[in-house]
Amino acid sequence: KQEVTQIPAALSVPEGENLVLNCSFTDSAIYNLQWFRQDPGKGLTSLLLIQSSQREQTSGRLNASLDKSSGRSTLYIAASQPGDSATYLCAVRWDSNYQLIWGAGTKLIIKP
Amino acid sequence: DAGVIQSPRHEVTEMGQEVTLRCKPISGHDYLFWYRQTMMRGLELLIYFNNNVPIDDSGMPEDRFSAKMPNASFSTLKIQPSEPRDSAVYFCASSLASVFGEQFFGPGTRLTVL
Repeated sequence: KQEVTQIPAALSVPEGENLVLNCSFTDSAIYNLQWFRQDPGKGLTSLLLIQSSQREQTSGRLNASLDKSSGRSTLYIAASQPGDSATYLCAVRWDSNYQLIWGAGTKLIIKP
Repeated sequence: DAGVIQSPRHEVTEMGQEVTLRCKPISGHDYLFWYRQTMMRGLELLIYFNNNVPIDDSGMPEDRFSAKMPNASFSTLKIQPSEPRDSAVYFCASSLASVFGEQFFGPGTRLTVL
């Protein structure tokens, strides 16, 4: 069964720290992987999309990596700020299925 | 670009009433998706359109749910009659040229059925 897991479910860190959010998936035959953030009562904002042929993608202070062989992706946030507080969701597409399969998310709190 | 636009942002209705949710995708995007998000089930894909044509509606929970896309810039999701278990946040998303492409989400409609 194709599943996506995000651990931990919640994370609280002081402002200014660098941090890593984890996403693991079963079955390495993925098509691509997308990271989103969701603010309370708001929609989902696409952060980064990594194709299966890529190892990483960067946008500003965010860097997402992909290791298909180990079934893992990480989202690295540099110099965290209180405005980074949100729930971060990882979603995976496999070659055999166009649908995004979602992780349950990691709720991130950055303390001032 | 204004992004994906949804209306209304909040809807409160009574059981048995008809509810219509609206979505305007990003201009030029060929794919439109409707999702539902609940605490218990997370995000679920209900239906998607390609070039205004419904392609996969296997996620639509019951016949009470219907979706249309009369043109490239407008889609509706209708629930008739509504039930309390339909209470959820409904999202619309669009992508440019592939069902495998990056999806961009609207702000969602929070539906409460009393």
